Amino acid sequence: SQKIEQNSEALNIQEGKTATLTCNYTNYSPAYLQWYRQDPGRGPVFLLLIRENEKEKRKERLKVTFDTTLKQSLFHITASQPADSATYLCALDERGATNKLIFGTGTLLAVQP
Amino acid sequence: DAGVIQSPRHEVTEMGQEVTLRCKPISGHDYLFWYRQTMMRGLELLIYFNNNVPIDDSGMPEDRFSAKMPNASFSTLKIQPSEPRDSAVYFCASTGGELAKNIQYFGAGTRLSVL
Repeated sequence: SQKIEQNSEALNIQEGKTATLTCNYTNYSPAYLQWYRQDPGRGPVFLLLIRENEKEKRKERLKVTFDTTLKQSLFHITASQPADSATYLCALDERGATNKLIFGTGTLLAVQP
Repeated sequence: DAGVIQSPRHEVTEMGQEVTLRCKPISGHDYLFWYRQTMMRGLELLIYFNNNVPIDDSGMPEDRFSAKMPNASFSTLKIQPSEPRDSAVYFCASTGGELAKNIQYFGAGTRLSVL
């Protein structure tokens, strides 16, 4: 069956360290993968999109990698800040279904000052 | 643009009552999505529309749920009759156009509590 798995446990790190979140999937062949941020009481907000032919994408302190062989994406936040505390969701497209996304359950990140 | 607008923000109702959730997508977007989010199941896609036409409703839990999009600027998700297990946060999202291609923009959600 199709499955998208993210770190089920909350991730606690110290301010200034690099946070690394994982997204593993099975039985999908996505053309692209996205990461969203969700704060309590709000809807998810898009952060980054990486395509199947891209190995790495960066945006300011954010970096995403995409390994289609391992079926895994890693999401890094460098020099983390307490304001980065949120739930982070990965999402895959369903090939053949334009714009349809399947979301992982998310990882709660807590950055301690 | 004001973004995706959902109403109401909170809804408390009793079992058996009809519930209607509303969504106004971003102007110019031609895709609209309805999601449900719970702690147990995460963010689940219920149904999505393209140019006001339902494309995939395979995520709709059962016949008690229905969704419509009468025009490009308005959609509703209706639950009739509602049950306690429908309690969740319901999100609407939209996408479209070259600049927003593949990226979904979410509303603030409607928190539904069915007592």
